[in-house]
Amino acid sequence: AQSVTQPDIHITVSEGASLELRCNYSYGATPYLFWYVQSPGQGLQLLLKYFSGDTLVQGIKGFEAEFKRSQSSFNLRKPSVHWSDAAEYFCAVGARGNKLVFGAGTILRVKS
Amino acid sequence: DGGITQSPKYLFRKEGQNVTLSCEQNLNHDAMYWYRQDPGQGLRLIYYSQIVNDFQKGDIAEGYSVSREKKESFPLTVTSAQKNPTAFYLCASSIDRLGDRGRGAQHFGDGTRLSIL
Repeated sequence: AQSVTQPDIHITVSEGASLELRCNYSYGATPYLFWYVQSPGQGLQLLLKYFSGDTLVQGIKGFEAEFKRSQSSFNLRKPSVHWSDAAEYFCAVGARGNKLVFGAGTILRVKS
Repeated sequence: DGGITQSPKYLFRKEGQNVTLSCEQNLNHDAMYWYRQDPGQGLRLIYYSQIVNDFQKGDIAEGYSVSREKKESFPLTVTSAQKNPTAFYLCASSIDRLGDRGRGAQHFGDGTRLSIL
C-alpha cells in the first residue's frame, strides 16, 4: 500500500534562511507526487507536482522539489524563507482510483 | 472565478443528530473527495466519487454517508453513528477521469469545522 512519511513534525527557521522539508514515499510504480500548503483554518493549496521528466520541479511562491527515486524522496526546498511561509506543509502521493495519500504534515515556524 | 465552496464554515452537532456539510464546485471536475483532518494525523479519506451517481468508501467511512446526484455537488452527512465527529472537514475535486491514477491535482475548499455541543 502507498504511504508517505514526513519525518519532521515541526521545523523552525529564521527569516531569510534556506528551507528543506523532507518527504519519503512508498509506492511500487512510478509515483505521482505533490506538495500542498495549508494556512490555519484554510484549505490546502497546491505548491507543485511531479509526474515524470525533469526530477527538479518548480512551483509557486519560490518553492521547488527534487524527486530522487533511489531514496524514495521528494523533498521541498526554498532558498530564502519569508515570514508569510509559516504554515503546515503536506506531501502526497497519487494512488489507484484517483486518490491521494497524504503525509502527517510538517508545521513550519519562521522566526524574525 | 471557479472554485470549491464549503458551507457552513462552522457547525455544531448535538447528541444523536445527523448534520450535513455542503460542498459545491464550479470547476467542471468529475471527481470529488471528502477528507477529515485531525491535528497531527494529516488528511484521511472518508468518501470519494469519480462520476455522478457513484461513490466509494475511503479509509474512514464508518459513521458518514454521501450522495452524488449532480456533478457540482457532493454533500457529506455525519450521522449519529460517528461517535467522534469533532474535526476539520475538507472537500476536494479533481479533473481526473476513471483510471487516471491520481494524475490531476486535487483542489480544496476552505473547510468546515464541526464541533459537538
